[in-house]
Amino acid sequence: DTGVSQDPRHKITKRGQNVTFRCDPISEHNRLYWYRQTLGQGPEFLTYFQNEAQLEKSRLLSDRFSAERPKGSFSTLEIQRTEQGDSAMYLCASSAGQGMGYEQYFGPGTRLTVT
Amino acid sequence: DAKTTQPPSMDCAEGRAANLPCNHSTISGNEYVYWYRQIHSQGPQYIIHGLKNNETNEMASLIITEDRKSSTLILPHATLRDTAVYYCIVRSYGGGATNKLIFGTGTLLAVQP
Repeated sequence: DTGVSQDPRHKITKRGQNVTFRCDPISEHNRLYWYRQTLGQGPEFLTYFQNEAQLEKSRLLSDRFSAERPKGSFSTLEIQRTEQGDSAMYLCASSAGQGMGYEQYFGPGTRLTVT
Repeated sequence: DAKTTQPPSMDCAEGRAANLPCNHSTISGNEYVYWYRQIHSQGPQYIIHGLKNNETNEMASLIITEDRKSSTLILPHATLRDTAVYYCIVRSYGGGATNKLIFGTGTLLAVQP
């Protein structure tokens, strides 16, 4: 068990460019979550997958953001036409189920800087 | 999910117990108290959770008041590696319950040598 991994760890991009992040959850975890964290704040929920189905999306997830989990394993988060306000840490978490005893395990995050 | 209130920062001497308070006065009967921590430049890490009874694991103890309106996370022998932001979160389970974690701004615990 290698834990949740995210790639890349750091990304610097120019405003207007598209970026894509990848998350590999703990194997056999069927639930996957994306969060965003800005400086000095706690993480904010973006979206949630159960297997390949995207079951919940935050209003923070504007139409420039899209997330996929095509085979119910890894997930990608794409941001189109990046803006400086998108600069943040993007965290991925996974869990083996819902309810008591199924905690969310977080990856190290991808830090995005939009210049 | 109910809101929580935590002090923004606390100091603790290395080797001493760290007691981190959390107020959740609007907690409802089906909501649990969870604690996560986030060490600098890492993702959050689950610590412990409880409903109404005190709980202990290898990392910490959780004391919940009888009226459940507040709780305290206790790190019995704090080390420098415990320096982190500690988040107190209330979560509900059951029909229609959300799966997401709602984080506040947490308490920055600084363990001093």
